[in-house]
Amino acid sequence: AQSVTQPDIHITVSEGASLELRCNYSYGATPYLFWYVQSPGQGLQLLLKYFSGDTLVQGIKGFEAEFKRSQSSFNLRKPSVHWSDAAEYFCAVGPPPGGYNKLIFGAGTRLAVHP
Amino acid sequence: SQTIHQWPATLVQPVGSPLSLECTVEGTSNPNLYWYRQAAGRGLQLLFYSVGIGQISSEVPQNLSASRPQDRQFILSSKKLLLSDSGFYLCAWSRREVNTEAFFGQGTRLTVV
Repeated sequence: AQSVTQPDIHITVSEGASLELRCNYSYGATPYLFWYVQSPGQGLQLLLKYFSGDTLVQGIKGFEAEFKRSQSSFNLRKPSVHWSDAAEYFCAVGPPPGGYNKLIFGAGTRLAVHP
Repeated sequence: SQTIHQWPATLVQPVGSPLSLECTVEGTSNPNLYWYRQAAGRGLQLLFYSVGIGQISSEVPQNLSASRPQDRQFILSSKKLLLSDSGFYLCAWSRREVNTEAFFGQGTRLTVV
């Protein structure tokens, strides 16, 4: 079965420090991968997506992610975190073979940023 | 551009009361529509999806139902709410083509008391 694992439930970094959020997936075919961000009480905003091609993808707000097939990973990175990046981040994979656009989400990683 | 509207933003309902949450999409036609639920500290669980008017698929058995009376309207309902129905409900849409991203509404915080 398809699944997404985000090993870190909470992460705290200092403002200006680098950030890496981990995402591992289990998928039976070429995955389509996404990172979303959610501010408290809000909907989800798409940060970036990987469908094919270059395995390093750039997103909004200075984020990037790298697809590593050999490690079944799609980690999110940012070289210098800003206080406004404090939010919850979700990795998602989809769709299942033969299915509709049903995204499967990880449990999320809550990011706190210290001044 | 496409927009998605979801309301109400917050709702407090007593146990046993009915529920109706509405979602509409503007600026696109024939979208796929989705209802997700997010419980506190957990990821998103897909509840229902729809590929067309009157076509609803349920992902998990539950106390809720969904309907799509118009192409860009998606409604989440319950006849009698349970305490366990509390959570954050998110509507989303995606283009009909396979393998595209989903776009989310702002969510509804439902508290059943």
